[in-house]
Amino acid sequence: DIVMTQSPDSLAVSLGERATINCKSSQSVLYSSNNKNYLAWYQQKPGQPPKLLIYWASTRESGVPDRFSGSGSGTDFTLTISGLQAEDVAVYYCQQYYGTSYTFGQGTKLEI
Amino acid sequence: EVQVVESGGGLVQPGGSLRLSCAASGFAFRTYWMTWVRQAPGKGLEWVANIKEDGSERYYVDSVKGRFTISRDNAENSLYLQLNSLRAEDTAMYYCARFIGFGWLDPWGQGTLVTVSS
Repeated sequence: DIVMTQSPDSLAVSLGERATINCKSSQSVLYSSNNKNYLAWYQQKPGQPPKLLIYWASTRESGVPDRFSGSGSGTDFTLTISGLQAEDVAVYYCQQYYGTSYTFGQGTKLEI
Repeated sequence: EVQVVESGGGLVQPGGSLRLSCAASGFAFRTYWMTWVRQAPGKGLEWVANIKEDGSERYYVDSVKGRFTISRDNAENSLYLQLNSLRAEDTAMYYCARFIGFGWLDPWGQGTLVTVSS
């Protein structure tokens, strides 16, 4: 199975500043036939289910603010939140969907 | 509105069984793969199982193979997860989610809590 490792486990960022969360996969999730990275990002606020933010590593889900962006390819990915707002306090997870077994990173807790 | 709503959780003794249900609405249920994901208290997310649109393909995380069974009833727009031989480590919130495209999940339900304890 592909192991997803996020870093850091937690971080504190000031309002208005940039937050950067990293995700590394134990093997490439880039599918050569379509040149797409099979990676998604989710946000989970306390007491709520996860919410999809980004898929294909960099495609923002409809309705997600453009301060959220995803980048990376192969085994190394980044979620960037620019201009942090108080409502962005949450745990963020990456997920790979390469093959038939799907795995999540351990989560990164973002605080103000 | 596209939504999924889980039910069926509860307190069960080790070795016991439980059947979770997920009612889907607002989308063509029969045309989507569906997924169960769980989250132990205070822990991260763990994918549990997927099922193809027609139920012909099912995939499970190794830790539940042979104990859990995912199924669906397209006529009833419902997804199920049969949990057998439950262990303490199966204690978690179980989420149902629609499987989009090649594997991202949206939306997620509010979850149903399964507690395995004597």
